[in-house]
Amino acid sequence: SQQGEEDPQALSIQEGENATMNCSYKTSINNLQWYRQNSGRGLVHLILIRSNEREKHSGRLRVTLDTSKKSSSLLITASRAADTASYFCATDGPASKLTFGTGTRLQVTL
Amino acid sequence: KAGVTQTPRYLIKTRGQQVTLSCSPISGHRSVSWYQQTPGQGLQFLFEYFSETQRNKGNFPGRFSGRQFSNSRSEMNVSTLELGDSALYLCASSTRARDSGNTIYFGEGSWLTVV
Repeated sequence: SQQGEEDPQALSIQEGENATMNCSYKTSINNLQWYRQNSGRGLVHLILIRSNEREKHSGRLRVTLDTSKKSSSLLITASRAADTASYFCATDGPASKLTFGTGTRLQVTL
Repeated sequence: KAGVTQTPRYLIKTRGQQVTLSCSPISGHRSVSWYQQTPGQGLQFLFEYFSETQRNKGNFPGRFSGRQFSNSRSEMNVSTLELGDSALYLCASSTRARDSGNTIYFGEGSWLTVV
């Protein structure tokens, strides 16, 4: 079963705009990780944020985590056509098992 | 450093047959996990192996099994294939580190079609 929901399910923006995706989860976590998946391909790891962190940056990516609300957001700034993909959040608890959200499909148009 | 390698990338099987998928983790990673991805159910955890022992198991029938070898390479097997087993099977590896955050890396996946 899915850990939670991602919002929105689909997002269409123009190149240069920012894209924000939200993820909610249900149980306590050790870490939350964000992944990108291009159509038919594997998952590419983007960023990991630990449960005691509130914000993390990596290049054009900014991730926030609010454990009191059991939610996280991924912001991609200055989007490019190459950012077109599905984005998933995944949480892990005491074990290495990841529980995924439902994903956000991002379409970046020229 | 090579990433997670999965073979084969694509395969077609007939109902009732069995299939074996292979995964080579990132060098130095001793934890290997398997996931099934379908349009209807999304990404679902199958099982995790660490040091040749199954550490966690998802909610899948016994037809799904796996093993890990002493070099950390892993295989998963699905017996008596059903149409609903058609999916992208993803392998992931990690160090299972606790102190620095357990980053989990995925391979390109094996696309299984059951006809």
